[in-house]
Order: sequence, then structure tokens, then C-alpha cells
Amino acid sequence: AQTVTQSQPEMSVQEAETVTLSCTYDTSESDYYLFWYKQPPSRQMILVIRQEAYKQQNATENRFSVNFQKAAKSFSLKISDSQLGDAAMYFCAYLVEEGGSEKLVFGKGTKLTVNP
Amino acid sequence: NAGVMQNPRHLVRRRGQEARLRCSPMKGHSHVYWYRQLPEEGLKFMVYLQKENIIDESGMPKERFSAEFPKEGPSILRIQQVVRGDSAAYFCASSPQGGQGRTEAFFGQGTRLTVV
Repeated sequence: AQTVTQSQPEMSVQEAETVTLSCTYDTSESDYYLFWYKQPPSRQMILVIRQEAYKQQNATENRFSVNFQKAAKSFSLKISDSQLGDAAMYFCAYLVEEGGSEKLVFGKGTKLTVNP
Repeated sequence: NAGVMQNPRHLVRRRGQEARLRCSPMKGHSHVYWYRQLPEEGLKFMVYLQKENIIDESGMPKERFSAEFPKEGPSILRIQQVVRGDSAAYFCASSPQGGQGRTEAFFGQGTRLTVV
């Protein structure tokens, strides 16, 4: 079964600095999708970035980028120029597609605090 | 275009009562996914529905839980005879078609169920 592990329950960063959140996963598939979601106190789940495994180029969305290491099954999120509004829970997720179904498998999350 | 609407936002039920959680997908979306988030945990998949069809209910407890997505109206997650362990945040996501790797699934703000 696919699993997603986030080894950092909490992280903190100074405003304007850079922080990296870790995520590892387990799968026997060769093609799949990985995601980072942000959950602020409002509880809304917001998609931050998406990576297709067959694409070797790391995905980037403005200040957010990933370091995707397929062989190591690692998918870390880098937030550059951190802003106060980045404070939230961040969840790494893997998309399982099988038997005509699809579902996201989430890690337990990392709580990011941004210090002014 | 309104986002995914879930209601109620908060629901309090006594042990043994029924809880009905509603999810109106985004306009034009015919695929709905329900997830449950326990305190300090990531989201866990419950069920995947298309209009009038249950595609995958492998994450749903066999007893007391049911879900539907009728031709008209919102998707409903029903929990009968609630117990304290059902207390959690329940999230709904919708997508226009299958393949969340290619088309983003949008999440609602969740319903926080408290069983007293």
C-alpha cells in the first residue's frame, strides 16, 4: 500500500527566509502524481503545487518549488521569501489510481510557523 | 463560480443520533470525494462518487456510514448512530472529471462534527 511520511511535525521560519518541508513516500508504480496542500486555520485545503512523476523537471509555482527525487522517493517543498500568510499546515499527498478509482493518500502534515 | 460548498460548517450530535453532511460540488463537476480528518492527522479517503454511482467506498466503515450523490442535489454523507470516535472534520472535494493528476480537485471548507 502507498504511504506518505512527513517527518517534521512542526517547522518555523523567519519572514523573508527560505524553508524546506520534507516528504517521502512508498510506491511500486512508475508513473504517479504528488501534491502539496496548504491548510490554513480556516481549514480550507488549498493546492500549492503538483508534480507528475514522469516529468524530471521540478515543479515551480511562484515562491513554491519542489525537489523531486524519484529514486529516493522524496518530494520536498521549498518556500522562498516566506510570508506571514504562509503560516499553515502543509500536507504532502500521493494520488492512487487503481481499478477505475482514484484517491489521495496524505501525510500527517507539517505545521509551519512564520516569525515576523 | 462558487467553490465547493459544505454545510453545515459545524455540527453537534449526541451519541446515537444521525449526522447528515452535505456537499455541493462546483458547477459542472460530476465527481465527488469525501475525506475524514481526525485531530492531528492528515485527511483519509472515505468514498468516491460520480452522479448516481459509488465508484469506490473502500475507505468507508462498513457499518453506520453511507454516501450518495443523486442526479439532482448535493452529495450526502450520512452517519447513523454516531459515537464519540466519529468526531472529526469531514471534507468534500469535487472535480469536473476523473484524473486528479490532470484536473485539480477543489476542496470545501469541511464540516466539523462533534459527538457529545
